[in-house]
Amino acid sequence: VQLVEDGGGLVEPGRSLRLSCATSGFTFDDYAMNWVRQAPGKGLEWVSGISWNSDTIEYADSVKGRFTISRDSAKSSLYLQMNSLRPDDTAFYYCAMEGEVEDYWGRGTLVTVSS
Amino acid sequence: QRVLIQSPSASASLGASVNFTCTLNSGHSSYDIAWLQQQPERGPRFLMKVNSDGSHNRGDGVPDRFSSSSSGVERHLTISSLQPEDEADYYCQTWDTGTWVFGGGTKLTVL
Repeated sequence: VQLVEDGGGLVEPGRSLRLSCATSGFTFDDYAMNWVRQAPGKGLEWVSGISWNSDTIEYADSVKGRFTISRDSAKSSLYLQMNSLRPDDTAFYYCAMEGEVEDYWGRGTLVTVSS
Repeated sequence: QRVLIQSPSASASLGASVNFTCTLNSGHSSYDIAWLQQQPERGPRFLMKVNSDGSHNRGDGVPDRFSSSSSGVERHLTISSLQPEDEADYYCQTWDTGTWVFGGGTKLTVL
C-alpha cells in the first residue's frame, strides 16, 4: 500500500490550493479515505473524510465551507480543494486510507499560508 | 470535554518497558481505538487497533514488542525492550460518526 501526497507549497492568505493523494497497492474503490493535518509542533487534526462511493462526506468545523474533498476512481486518487486559506491552515497534510484491519498513511505534504 | 485523553510525555530507559494510557470520555467508553506512532520528521504509522474487550490486531510489520489491552474507559499500549527508534510521539485515535478523533499525543523519550 502506498499513498503519496502532492500539491503543497507556500500560498498567500485568501488564495486556493489543491492537494492530491495518489494511491496504489489496494483496491481504491473499496475504502473510505481521509485527510488529516498537523500544524508545526502540534498534534493531529482530522480534516475531512469521504466514503468508498462518495455518498458520505464529512468535514471538521474548522474547514467546513472552505475545503472540498473528492476522489477519482479512474486515477485511484484523493483530492482536497482548499479555498480561502488562512494562516492557521498551515500544516502538514496527510491522506489516510481507512482499512478493514488497519489504516495506512502517506508521508504528507506541507502547506504554508503566509503573506 | 475532550474525547481521548493522553499524558503529554513519558520516558523510559533503553531495554525497559513503557506503558501509555488513552482515557475515553464517558460518551465513548465502549469505543475501539487505534494506536499510532509518529517518529521525528515522519508521517504517522498505524500500530494496532484495540477493541473495548481488549482484543487487538497489530499492523503490518509491527513487532510483537508492541502490545495492548483495555480496561473500562482506558486503552493501554505497552512497548517492551525499548529501542532507540521507539522514541516518537504516540497518538490514540477513534472513529465517531464518519469522523476521526485524536488524543493529544504522548512524547516518548528513550533514555
